[in-house]
Amino acid sequence: GAGVSQSPSNKVTEKGKDVELRCDPISGHTALYWYRQSLGQGLEFLIYFQGNSAPDKSGLPSDRFSAERTGGSVSTLTIQRTQQEDSAVYLCASSTNLRIETQYFGPGTRLLVL
Amino acid sequence: AQTVTQSQPEMSVQEAETVTLSCTYDTSESDYYLFWYKQPPSRQMILVIRQEAYKQQNATENRFSVNFQKAAKSFSLKISDSQLGDAAMYFCASNNAGNMLTFGGGTRLMVKP
Repeated sequence: GAGVSQSPSNKVTEKGKDVELRCDPISGHTALYWYRQSLGQGLEFLIYFQGNSAPDKSGLPSDRFSAERTGGSVSTLTIQRTQQEDSAVYLCASSTNLRIETQYFGPGTRLLVL
Repeated sequence: AQTVTQSQPEMSVQEAETVTLSCTYDTSESDYYLFWYKQPPSRQMILVIRQEAYKQQNATENRFSVNFQKAAKSFSLKISDSQLGDAAMYFCASNNAGNMLTFGGGTRLMVKP
């Protein structure tokens, strides 16, 4: 079946603008994760959604970052007032409900803040 | 907190030869899982192999196998009969009670024809 999809593939924005990144998980997957991959920091966890539970936001780097998941499916990661250090690849992953299950990743969105 | 360390930023291997990528981790959890992911230039992370910490037997997937040493907290990946398509970044990762993955810094594998 279809894998995790993300849009846009690439995004260039100006410093101070807001951006929205979208993730469509694999159908039936109740867990959804956002990670950030940057040259300086490697791969970092950002936020985790599991079913209808409150999300785990412990990885969000600042209050300019937020995410929501509508209807238990599609998720949007929003970065307000973007800064140059926000430039990175943002990866989304999904998995089934069980902790032991593998996370499947999307192709990522490359964000460049000028 | 968990940490994952990959001490080899780059490795190279001759086509058809065998290469081993190293990974060590630190965790206070008794129940955890370990993964190797491959990231080609397309950016998409692809699962290569996974290991459940409670299992003593090393996981194997075709040309890929792991050497899991729980006491030493070591989790190396062996690639046999290397192919040009194996060239990529390889990330070692572990999960914790919150389910999120903690990744190592990655190893860039180059395969020479």
